[in-house]
Amino acid sequence: AQSVTQLGSHVSVSEGALVLLRCNYSSSVPPYLFWYVQYPNQGLQLLLKYTTGATLVKGINGFEAEFKKSETSFHLTKPSAHMSDAAEYFCAVKPGGYQKVTFGTGTKLQVIP
Amino acid sequence: KAGVTQTPRYLIKTRGQQVTLSCSPISGHRSVSWYQQTPGQGLQFLFEYFSETQRNKGNFPGRFSGRQFSNSRSEMNVSTLELGDSALYLCASSLAVQVAEAFFGQGTRLTVV
Repeated sequence: AQSVTQLGSHVSVSEGALVLLRCNYSSSVPPYLFWYVQYPNQGLQLLLKYTTGATLVKGINGFEAEFKKSETSFHLTKPSAHMSDAAEYFCAVKPGGYQKVTFGTGTKLQVIP
Repeated sequence: KAGVTQTPRYLIKTRGQQVTLSCSPISGHRSVSWYQQTPGQGLQFLFEYFSETQRNKGNFPGRFSGRQFSNSRSEMNVSTLELGDSALYLCASSLAVQVAEAFFGQGTRLTVV
């Protein structure tokens, strides 16, 4: 069975600083990996995804993530935080085939002016 | 292209009642998944439907049920509501079960009093 671990339920960064949200996964087969963002009282919006190919994935709003198989990690980064980035971020894994998506517990990002 | 539509957005019910939530997927999407989101438990998978058949099921009691219609629209039902069922219920659609990328609706906020 697959699992996802997000380190840090809350992360605070200053506006303009680097954003780094950590995600480690376990999966018995090569997975699909995702990052979603959720704003208050909203659904989840896909930020980026890794399926196959290039391990550095670029998403919307300046976010990117790197798939590191040896470390079973898929950390999310953004070079410069903006106030509008304040939200909750979820990492997710899907082994493929007919297996379901498993979400991490989420990381709330606070951006300090 | 219209997104995933969930109705109603907000709902207040009394303990012991039952409730039905609706989800209309993106046109052409045949897979619909349901999730329960609470502050304590995070995002928990309820079930997934494809072509009117349940393909995956989470660890929820039998009070939680769902179905999918021939037009891919889906409903979930919760009977004998408990206070602990208060949550944001999210629906996600994708082209097929095997396809990794899911698109979420804005959710239905259910409050049980």
